[in-house]
Amino acid sequence: SQQGEEDPQALSIQEGENATMNCSYKTSINNLQWYRQNSGRGLVHLILIRSNEREKHSGRLRVTLDTSKKSSSLLITASRAADTASYFCASGANLFSGGYNKLIFGAGTRLAVHP
Amino acid sequence: DSGVTQTPKHLITATGQRVTLRCSPRSGDLSVYWYQQSLDQGLQFLIQYYNGEERAKGNILERFSAQQFPDLHSELNLSSLELGDSALYFCASSANPDTDTQYFGPGTRLTVL
Repeated sequence: SQQGEEDPQALSIQEGENATMNCSYKTSINNLQWYRQNSGRGLVHLILIRSNEREKHSGRLRVTLDTSKKSSSLLITASRAADTASYFCASGANLFSGGYNKLIFGAGTRLAVHP
Repeated sequence: DSGVTQTPKHLITATGQRVTLRCSPRSGDLSVYWYQQSLDQGLQFLIQYYNGEERAKGNILERFSAQQFPDLHSELNLSSLELGDSALYFCASSANPDTDTQYFGPGTRLTVL
């Protein structure tokens, strides 16, 4: 079964608003990565946060990681219509648990940003 | 553009057939991963290779096999295809096999009729 779970499953907002997506995972991780996918196309890497980091920024993206709660969040500020896509979190399993960084994906959050 | 290439983009075939999907990693990346994305199972890790050697295995069926060649490109072979094998198959690559960002190719959409 998939390890990560995203919440909400779908999110609909207006341009200019912020979008927050949450992700939970089950076992210890080496890192957690967020990806974006436009309508059945390829996955675009957004940001990687390592297990010893708590927050990371990249442009309009802010990711937090709480390893005690096994959760992460992705915040997109000042959203644009072009941000419409599915967003996936993927946990990179801990090397010492034999995961060898295989990514375990959640089911994704479908974000719709309306002009 | 991630730098990872996959061919073909689309593949339509019949049940019972065998197909080969090809992936070229980003320049310098030694590690290649294969993932399957289907409507009912979501994105699932299949298998990982590092510098020609199998490194980790996920939910890969026995009918499926993969290899990584000396020039680091990889192939995923799917045989005795079933309707349920219809999915998007992604290849990803990374420099470090254990900790780095994985960059995904555009995927191969397989349709089994």
